[in-house]
Amino acid sequence: GNSVTQMEGPVTLSEEAFLTINCTYTATGYPSLFWYVQYPGEGLQLLLKATKADDKGSNKGFEATYRKETTSFHLEKGSVQVSDSAVYFCALNSNDYKLSFGAGTTVTVRA
Amino acid sequence: GAVVSQHPSRVICKSGTSVKIECRSLDFQATTMFWYRQFPKQSLMLMATSNEGSKATYEQGVEKDKFLINHASLTLSTLTVTSAHPEDSSFYICSASVLAGETQYFGPGTRLLVL
Repeated sequence: GNSVTQMEGPVTLSEEAFLTINCTYTATGYPSLFWYVQYPGEGLQLLLKATKADDKGSNKGFEATYRKETTSFHLEKGSVQVSDSAVYFCALNSNDYKLSFGAGTTVTVRA
Repeated sequence: GAVVSQHPSRVICKSGTSVKIECRSLDFQATTMFWYRQFPKQSLMLMATSNEGSKATYEQGVEKDKFLINHASLTLSTLTVTSAHPEDSSFYICSASVLAGETQYFGPGTRLLVL
């Protein structure tokens, strides 16, 4: 079956620090990979996605590259801001059209 | 584009009553909508998948008679929690996609508290 494993949090950073959240997956077929972000009290927002191997998704300074050889989709941002404080979810969408989510990583950025 | 709304955003009800939550795709037609449940500090758990004009498909362990889902049009799906009990208190989130397998766009969620 499909599964997503992401780095456990919480992660606390200072403003302008480098952020990496690791995500690895197990899937049948050729999944699409996603990062969603959830701000406090809100639903999920699509942050970025990649649909095939070696694709790089990017948005709002965040990047993630679909690595088939390592079955990974790590999220990175070079310089975080306080407004990036949120819960980040890695997810995959495979042949059955359902999203499988990781457990979520809480990120807190201090001024 | 790709905005999904939910109503209400927050609801408090008495044990034994039923609560209806609406999920609307505002600027696109959604063939498929999904309902999730999220417990505090946990990930989303898929409850059911609903396709316009057909019966919803429920995940294992989700009671279809308790969580009634209707997807009557391409822009509206409803989740009714029947005879709600305190253990049903949770954050319910819907998502919608134009076609099954395409990107899911999420609503802002509905927080249900059953007293």
